[in-house]
Amino acid sequence: KNQVEQSPQSLIILEGKNCTLQCNYTVSPFSNLRWYKQDTGRGPVSLTIMTFSENTKSNGRYTATLDADTKQSSLHITASQLSDSASYICVALFGNEKLTFGTGTRLTIIP
Amino acid sequence: EPEVTQTPSHQVTQMGQEVILRCVPISNHLYFYWYRQILGQKVEFLVSFYNNEISEKSEIFDDQFSVERPDGSNFTLKIRSTKLEDSAMYFCASSRQGGETQYFGPGTRLLVL
Repeated sequence: KNQVEQSPQSLIILEGKNCTLQCNYTVSPFSNLRWYKQDTGRGPVSLTIMTFSENTKSNGRYTATLDADTKQSSLHITASQLSDSASYICVALFGNEKLTFGTGTRLTIIP
Repeated sequence: EPEVTQTPSHQVTQMGQEVILRCVPISNHLYFYWYRQILGQKVEFLVSFYNNEISEKSEIFDDQFSVERPDGSNFTLKIRSTKLEDSAMYFCASSRQGGETQYFGPGTRLLVL
């Protein structure tokens, strides 16, 4: 069964600190892996997309990594800001259109 | 910047009633999707739509559900005979091509009483 698992389930860090969120996936056939940010009560917003041939991709203070051999990905957030407080969701695309979502990591940034 | 819009933002309905959730995808996008998120749970894929027909659907998307693109701009999800467990946030998304970034709307929160 296609699954995406994330850890930790929740994380609290001080403003300005860095953090890394983890994702493991078992999706076949695998097309690409995405990280989304979801504010409470809002739709997910895309941060990065990586195909199996890409190891890393950055978007501002967000850097995602992908190891297609071990089926693991991470999202690193640098110099966190209060506005980074949200759920971060790892999403795997299998086939051409069907996204499989993880349960997300709830990140809280405190001043 | 173009964005996906959805109406209504909230919908309350009685069990057994039909509801239609509406979406306006980004204008030059060709693929359209519906997802749902039950409170406190992960987002779940319902259906994808391309070239005026369903291209993929999940096991959740049974005969109770249907989608339609009635004109050149709207994309609708119809839920017939709603059940209590249909209460969820429903997200519409669109992408320019299959496999590319999907842009999500703000969602419609459906509450079935």
